[in-house]
Amino acid sequence: EVQLVQSGAEVKKPGESLKISCEGVGYNFTKFWIGWVRQMPGKSLEWMGIIYPGDSDTRYSPSFEGQVTISADKSISTTYLQWSSLKASDTAIYYCARLPSAAYNPYIYPFDYWGQGTLVTVSA
Amino acid sequence: QSALTQPASVSGSPGQSITISCTGTSSDVGGFGHVSWYQQHPAKAPKLLIYDVTTRPSGVSDRFSGSKSDNTASLTISGLQAEDEALYYCSSYSSDGAPWVFGTGTTVTVL
Repeated sequence: EVQLVQSGAEVKKPGESLKISCEGVGYNFTKFWIGWVRQMPGKSLEWMGIIYPGDSDTRYSPSFEGQVTISADKSISTTYLQWSSLKASDTAIYYCARLPSAAYNPYIYPFDYWGQGTLVTVSA
Repeated sequence: QSALTQPASVSGSPGQSITISCTGTSSDVGGFGHVSWYQQHPAKAPKLLIYDVTTRPSGVSDRFSGSKSDNTASLTISGLQAEDEALYYCSSYSSDGAPWVFGTGTTVTVL
């Protein structure tokens, strides 16, 4: 069974750094793109970026380029989303989600499996 | 790049059919056949219901169906059930800005 298992909730102060994780279970982790999606409180979904764990090819949404870093460690089937300096406006639930594709341009595909979400709260 | 427009809420009685609309532009919904729909129950992750406008993944009830006309996609839920109470989001490939754009979300209430 395909599962994406995310790390637990985090409470941080503005200016702190953070790295959250998403482990792929039950499938060949290196053969499928993984994306990160933000959901701010009471708001819709926003795509942040994607990574292909096989070669770490990473693409960012223009809205998030330079704001976060996406990485992967294929040896442990895990992808990461990290911030170097958090802001209060980063408070949100962050989901990882898989694309059912290994294509160079996977943009026509939907996100077929989702992690359970990681709540990040940034408050002084 | 703006979010796709959905009605804030739609309601219906058990057994009825309801339709949720998702309006975009020719750069996204109208220009391509890559519209998806997701269901999100409270405090849960989104679940893929429909992709490529009309295709249901394995295991999704056939009470859910999708369609598209011009710049508007639609999700129809037939035989409405209490378990269908949730938030529903559409999404489309977009050639303008970020390649995935999501809708504003629709809350479905079963009366």
